[in-house]
Amino acid sequence: SQTIHQWPATLVQPVGSPLSLECTVEGTSNPNLYWYRQAAGRGLQLLFYSVGIGQISSEVPQNLSASRPQDRQFILSSKKLLLSDSGFYLCAWSVVRGYTFGSGTRLTVV
Amino acid sequence: SQQGEEDPQALSIQEGENATMNCSYKTSINNLQWYRQNSGRGLVHLILIRSNEREKHSGRLRVTLDTSKKSSSLLITASRAADTASYFCATDDASGTYKYIFGTGTRLKVLA
Repeated sequence: SQTIHQWPATLVQPVGSPLSLECTVEGTSNPNLYWYRQAAGRGLQLLFYSVGIGQISSEVPQNLSASRPQDRQFILSSKKLLLSDSGFYLCAWSVVRGYTFGSGTRLTVV
Repeated sequence: SQQGEEDPQALSIQEGENATMNCSYKTSINNLQWYRQNSGRGLVHLILIRSNEREKHSGRLRVTLDTSKKSSSLLITASRAADTASYFCATDDASGTYKYIFGTGTRLKVLA
């Protein structure tokens, strides 16, 4: 079966520290992968998407970057976190019928 | 940029009543989807309606799509307390990249 794993579930990081969030997909090959961010009580903002290994499209200028070192692995990173990076980060992969989301990572930058 | 906008932002109803949420979007689409999010959790796909469809049903869910008005509605019939969640519409940009833009959501509260 097809599943998506995202970790950690929660993270508290100081301002200026680095970030690495990982997302892996099982049960499919060559998926389209996405990173979204959701501010408290708000909708989802598309950050990055990838249609293949090493192929990253950035949707908004920001303090974050993404990488796809393997077909089923998508990583969200930052060299130095800002307070405004706090939020709920969701990884997703797409099939014809829509997205399957991971369970999300709640990041609090203090 | 925001493609979908849900209306109302918040809705509170009694158990057993019907809940209707609306979504408006701006550009041409291939399909529109509705998702549900329980507090602090990931989103769960509910239903997809294609641009050439006008209505679709799934259990207690009924979705309509009016491409001439660039709008969609989600109807939940005979609501239950367990339906309490936020509901989002998502639209593609017809570019074929499976890239979806989400609205700001409707927070539904069903009172027992």
